Amino acid sequence: QKEVEQNSGPLSVPEGAIASLNCTYSDRGSQSFFWYRQYSGKSPELIMFIYSNGDKEDGRFTAQLNKASQYVSLLIRDSQPSDSATYLCAVRPSGAGSYQLTFGKGTKLSVIP
Amino acid sequence: GAVVSQHPSWVICKSGTSVKIECRSLDFQATTMFWYRQFPKQSLMLMATSNEGSKATYEQGVEKDKFLINHASLTLSTLTVTSAHPEDSSFYICSARGPGTTLNTEAFFGQGTRLTVV
Repeated sequence: QKEVEQNSGPLSVPEGAIASLNCTYSDRGSQSFFWYRQYSGKSPELIMFIYSNGDKEDGRFTAQLNKASQYVSLLIRDSQPSDSATYLCAVRPSGAGSYQLTFGKGTKLSVIP
Repeated sequence: GAVVSQHPSWVICKSGTSVKIECRSLDFQATTMFWYRQFPKQSLMLMATSNEGSKATYEQGVEKDKFLINHASLTLSTLTVTSAHPEDSSFYICSARGPGTTLNTEAFFGQGTRLTVV
């Protein structure tokens, strides 16, 4: 069974600090990796995706992918209280011809003012 | 980005009745839509994949006769929860694959529907 694992948290960081969120996946052939943010009672919204090894930066967010270690992370610099949410890691497995995603359970982030 | 509209955002129904949830892609054609269910403090669990013009593909353990999916057009998919019971109370979310054919095409989510069965 293809799995995506995340630490459920909660992860608490002070305002202005760097928040580091981690995700591992079991399907070595996975091709695309997504980070979604979900506020309580709301649907997920895409933060960024990555598909090549290395880092990808977008504003305060940096996604890091290491396919050899089957590991993907999200760094949030200068964390703000508005970043407090649950962050979902999603993986598009190999062979998923219909483009479906497998989600982790999410990490709850709390940014303390 | 592409917009997916889901309706209603919340619904309360009596046990034994049926509820229909609509998912529309507003500015693009979605040949494939996905229906998820999310229980409190749990992740999104894929229920079924909806393909326009064909029968939906259900995930293991999801009753296709209870959760009826219709994807009659390129912009609309519906999920009907039949004979709802309190244990069906959950947050139902649809998503549609955005335009394009690359594997990095993101999924756009509807706003979600909070279903409460009393």
